[in-house]
Amino acid sequence: AQSVTQLGSHVSVSEGALVLLRCNYSSSVPPYLFWYVQYPNQGLQLLLKYTSAATLVKGINGFEAEFKKSETSFHLTKPSAHMSDAAEYFCAVSVPNTGNQFYFGTGTSLTVIP
Amino acid sequence: GAGVSQSPSNKVTEKGKDVELRCDPISGHTALYWYRQSLGQGLEFLIYFQGNSAPDKSGLPSDRFSAERTGGSVSTLTIQRTQQEDSAVYLCASSYLPVGSTDTQYFGPGTRLTVL
Repeated sequence: AQSVTQLGSHVSVSEGALVLLRCNYSSSVPPYLFWYVQYPNQGLQLLLKYTSAATLVKGINGFEAEFKKSETSFHLTKPSAHMSDAAEYFCAVSVPNTGNQFYFGTGTSLTVIP
Repeated sequence: GAGVSQSPSNKVTEKGKDVELRCDPISGHTALYWYRQSLGQGLEFLIYFQGNSAPDKSGLPSDRFSAERTGGSVSTLTIQRTQQEDSAVYLCASSYLPVGSTDTQYFGPGTRLTVL
């Protein structure tokens, strides 16, 4: 079975500090991996996705994530946090040819401290 | 073009009543998904429609939940005899390609359901 684990339901960083949001997946075959962001009172929008090409993926708003097969991880990072980055972040996995489901993690709420 | 729209944005109902939630996907998108987002629970998959294929209903929590998609476009999620534990935000998403591809899901703003 496939699953996604996001370590840390709440993360706080100071403005200008490194943002690191953790995501680990479980899959028997190489998956497609996604990070979505949900700003307050808004719908989810795609930040970036890994589709078996380059392992380091760059997304919008300065975010990037690196697929590490050996660690089954897809952690999200940003070198310098902005106040506008405060939101809920969801990691998700889609596994080719194994059914119709798209699995989301439980989310990480990012707080940026001025 | 327009994104995924959902209506109503908020719904308050009494326990035991039936509710219908509507989703208008992006035009041309063949795949449509319903999720439930409860506080502290992340996103829970409910049901998935792909083209004219039979929907994947494996995520529906009980037989009180049902969904249909008419003409391959608009979808309605129906919850019968609502219970307080049904209170959540119900999200709809659509994508051009099926799940299991690299395609992006586009989410609607959600319907916040409160069962009193």
